Amino acid sequence: ETAVFQTPNYHVTQVGNEVSFNCKQTLGHDTMYWYKQDSKKLLKIMFSYNNKQLIVNETVPRRFSPQSSDKAHLNLRIKSVEPEDSAVYLCASSPRERLFFGHGTKLSVL
Amino acid sequence: GDQVEQSPSALSLHEGTGSALRCNFTTTMRAVQWFQQNSRGSLINLFYLASGTKENGRLKSTFNSKESYSTLHIRDAQLEDSGTYFCAAEAGTQVVGQLTFGRGTRLQVYA
Repeated sequence: ETAVFQTPNYHVTQVGNEVSFNCKQTLGHDTMYWYKQDSKKLLKIMFSYNNKQLIVNETVPRRFSPQSSDKAHLNLRIKSVEPEDSAVYLCASSPRERLFFGHGTKLSVL
Repeated sequence: GDQVEQSPSALSLHEGTGSALRCNFTTTMRAVQWFQQNSRGSLINLFYLASGTKENGRLKSTFNSKESYSTLHIRDAQLEDSGTYFCAAEAGTQVVGQLTFGRGTRLQVYA
């Protein structure tokens, strides 16, 4: 049963547009994450956010930014999408150890 | 090279049989998690291990941090076990939850 909710499921856009993906967790966890899964299914950490402390993977381009209103929400904004941003974006939350993932948002950039 | 080397990359099993998946680590890891990604894309957390062995139904996982590997054993495979299995590990220097994933094992169980 999913307790990490992501919207939308799919999004198609054009190069240069701005997009925003939502993530909400109902597990009461303190830490949330964004991961990117590329076309070869490789998963890589993008951000982790805990109690207003943001940790950024240094390889993430600056056009990506996480946005949090409270500890149950962590959204992902991409300011000006590029073709290489096409991927599945997975949100996760964790109490301390195990990670629990949402279903993902599949982004296609034309 | 990859910090987490997962094998095999693909596996076919007849229903009722079993096999083992393995991850080798090229750096010291403090914990490992195993996930199943089903056909809908959902990543299901199967195990979290900081050491030793855990069992859950037909699945058993071991993590040996000294020898830098982890295994996932599947016995009596069922059709619904099909999917991609990932191991993911935390290095000692990383923030909790910042996982390095293996490239996955695509498992197909056939009748």
